[in-house]
Amino acid sequence: QQPVQSPQAVILREGEDAVINCSSSKALYSVHWYRQKHGEAPVFLMILLKGGEQKGHDKISASFNEKKQQSSLYLTASQLSYSGTYFCGTVVWTSGTYKYIFGTGTRLKVLA
Amino acid sequence: SQTIHQWPATLVQPVGSPLSLECTVEGTSNPNLYWYRQAAGRGLQLLFYSVGIGQISSEVPQNLSASRPQDRQFILSSKKLLLSDSGFYLCAWITATEAFFGQGTRLTVV
Repeated sequence: QQPVQSPQAVILREGEDAVINCSSSKALYSVHWYRQKHGEAPVFLMILLKGGEQKGHDKISASFNEKKQQSSLYLTASQLSYSGTYFCGTVVWTSGTYKYIFGTGTRLKVLA
Repeated sequence: SQTIHQWPATLVQPVGSPLSLECTVEGTSNPNLYWYRQAAGRGLQLLFYSVGIGQISSEVPQNLSASRPQDRQFILSSKKLLLSDSGFYLCAWITATEAFFGQGTRLTVV
């Protein structure tokens, strides 16, 4: 039931690009993306609400394809500060109620 | 403004001791509140969520429990901690458009 993210981990050099994918076996109505630094709470990056929607935040953008039940996070010209673990999050309807769950996570390390 | 407070930040407890982590929210009413646990190097596992006072849904069988005595207060408890309860605990308030997290509690059971 937990959304699956790929890749599990990625190492980049500064200035390189990366794509992180989030796939769900259940229908996605919205997708949130977060970045978590070690030992800290996740930081909310953005939300995508509509099929095919794309959003941007600095050099980080994301797309959401509700038909494919997938979302992707695009990191362009990566900076050292981008290092951390990225999670997607989504609301699922189960047992007569909504609940919020996170994806499996992707560890990103940017090297100088 | 909308804020969420969680305490304590760190906790070292012996096996078999009780636990109480508290989370409070400001700037809203009737928030949807969540408790997650994160083991070292792992993802965020949903433990409990609550859509209102006295309403608690449990995700995994364990020796933890949760309560919501007031609209903006969410408490995670245990009567007897196990070594496997160690981890990073996060309280979250999640809306349709945004998520707010407490600072997290690093719990070490020794």
